[in-house]
Amino acid sequence: EIVLTQSPATLSLSPGERATLSCRASQSVSSFLAWYQQRPGQAPRLLIYDASNRATGIPARFSGSGSGTDFTLTISSLEPEDFAVYYCQQRNNWPETFGQGTKVEIK
Amino acid sequence: QVQLQESGPGLVKPSETLSLTCAVSGASIVSYYWAWIRQPPGKGLEWIGYFRYSGDSRYNPSLQSRVTVSVDTSRSQLSLNLNSVTAADTAVYYCARYFQLGGRHYMDVWGKGTTVTVSS
Repeated sequence: EIVLTQSPATLSLSPGERATLSCRASQSVSSFLAWYQQRPGQAPRLLIYDASNRATGIPARFSGSGSGTDFTLTISSLEPEDFAVYYCQQRNNWPETFGQGTKVEIK
Repeated sequence: QVQLQESGPGLVKPSETLSLTCAVSGASIVSYYWAWIRQPPGKGLEWIGYFRYSGDSRYNPSLQSRVTVSVDTSRSQLSLNLNSVTAADTAVYYCARYFQLGGRHYMDVWGKGTTVTVSS
């Protein structure tokens, strides 16, 4: 089973600041990695697929990069609605797995 | 607009079977892969498995021996049964649709989730 390790566990930032979230895989997942956003009390929402492609309706301030074992989700300028938990997920190997999440909180 | 709505008993006794349904609207239930995912209180997401009307399916090895899923085309519903439950199965359970995006299918539509508590 591929283990996805997200860092940091918590990111404390102010609105307007840049957020950089990391996801590291225990073995290569090629580019088959997704990022999801989960706001409190809500279901996850797909942000990024295939490591770097934004899903439909996702604002351009969200971007993803990486391949192999190291991936990054960047939020260029945090909006109030972006304070949430973010999960990465790999779809290269069965079983598909999620990272433990990074919480982006208001500083 | 594709919508998914999970429903279930809310409370299940230890050793019994958890049974959930997911009502699908706005999409053909036979045309896609579907998933069940769960989230224990205050914790992260755990993939339970994916399946399709055709019978193609795969499950998390940690749950495979206890999971049964089915597709009811007449009611446009998905079902999940998890037997021999313990307190560790307490979670919010989500259903989701897989959609072909780029090189793989990804979960692009999720239900709002239903909370299941295992307790006597």
